[in-house]
Amino acid sequence: NAGVTQTPKFRILKIGQSMTLQCTQDMNHNYMYWYRQDPGMGLKLIYYSVGAGITDKGEVPNGYNVSRSTTEDFPLRLELAAPSQTSVYFCASSYSRRDMTDTIYFGEGSWLTVV
Amino acid sequence: GQNIDQPTEMTATEGAIVQINCTYQTSGFNGLFWYQQHAGEAPTFLSYNVLDGLEEKGRFSSFLSRSKGYSYLLLKELQMKDSASYLCAVTTNAGKSTFGDGTTLTVKP
Repeated sequence: NAGVTQTPKFRILKIGQSMTLQCTQDMNHNYMYWYRQDPGMGLKLIYYSVGAGITDKGEVPNGYNVSRSTTEDFPLRLELAAPSQTSVYFCASSYSRRDMTDTIYFGEGSWLTVV
Repeated sequence: GQNIDQPTEMTATEGAIVQINCTYQTSGFNGLFWYQQHAGEAPTFLSYNVLDGLEEKGRFSSFLSRSKGYSYLLLKELQMKDSASYLCAVTTNAGKSTFGDGTTLTVKP
């Protein structure tokens, strides 16, 4: 059972570099999310998507971009890495409708350090 | 926007009962989740409430009062492995899921 798979698990970036965190899910979920979690803090929503071709900003979208060309994939792009983006990133997915929200399933996390 | 408050830290004794509270303010409420997160791991689902009342699942129960914007997670017969962070999350019918900062629970022998 793959569930939500995100890569890489660990990455060190230099300031100003770019990278993409990959996320894919095999549960045919319509909703997908990217969260970041700083040490000792809760999850902050970066971007989310309610279906293929649709994305929307969360609480902390600055410095990031996303795309949702297929139901399965939801990559997160960092264009110009900054030390403030050092964090743990979680991709997640769920099946949701207006009258119902299903359980959110998380990937294992990606530990990103910007130096 | 959404505002979610829960205590930062709690400590309890093995075998005891602990209640972790969560208050929230949101529009378009569509459910409240509780997640458990061990250090260095992803959050895992514990419970979901969309209607008022108590949901029980073994040693874990969760309560919701929508009119008060209030929920709690009740953990009974605490075990050492219950030491973790407990996250309260609110979802809206616009599709957003917002998490609180989490409550770090330490279970002592």
